[in-house]
Amino acid sequence: SQQGEEDPQALSIQEGENATMNCSYKTSINNLQWYRQNSGRGLVHLILIRSNEREKHSGRLRVTLDTSKKSSSLLITASRAADTASYFCATGRTGANSKLTFGKGITLSVRP
Amino acid sequence: DGGITQSPKYLFRKEGQNVTLSCEQNLNHDAMYWYRQDPGQGLRLIYYSQIVNDFQKGDIAEGYSVSREKKESFPLTVTSAQKNPTAFYLCASSITAGYRGELFFGEGSRLTVL
Repeated sequence: SQQGEEDPQALSIQEGENATMNCSYKTSINNLQWYRQNSGRGLVHLILIRSNEREKHSGRLRVTLDTSKKSSSLLITASRAADTASYFCATGRTGANSKLTFGKGITLSVRP
Repeated sequence: DGGITQSPKYLFRKEGQNVTLSCEQNLNHDAMYWYRQDPGQGLRLIYYSQIVNDFQKGDIAEGYSVSREKKESFPLTVTSAQKNPTAFYLCASSITAGYRGELFFGEGSRLTVL
């Protein structure tokens, strides 16, 4: 079963607006990662947040992690048409069942 | 430039045929992975390898086979036993196994069964 579940499934915003995407998961994690995928291309890593971190920034990206609620959010500020893509959260577990599990993704459309 | 190269980008196969997808990396990463992506679904892990000459089944290994004879190469064979092979296949690598760090992905191979 999918560990990470993104919300919403699709998001359409105007250029310049902020985009907020959410991810919920079920079991304990070592880290949570966000990836971006342009149509027909491979995934590109955006940001990784560890279970002992609460917030991380990278350029126009801000990621938060709430382990008590088992949820994370990705905020893209001042969106651009070039941000149009699918965004995936992936949860990493280590140990005997070490694996990185991806959600189904969020389709973001940024209208110029 | 360092990265992961997948080939071919598009592949057509007749039913009953085996096909092999190539994945090569020059990042000197120990771990390599194969994922399958279907429309509207996330990535599902087929096989992964933490070190040369070793590989493990992922969540959907049935109908697939892999080898890891060299550190930089991790080819995936889609056999005739795979009942629904039409999909987008993604190869990835990471510095070490254990999912403590990011994955680096290739550009994918799209397989269509005619």
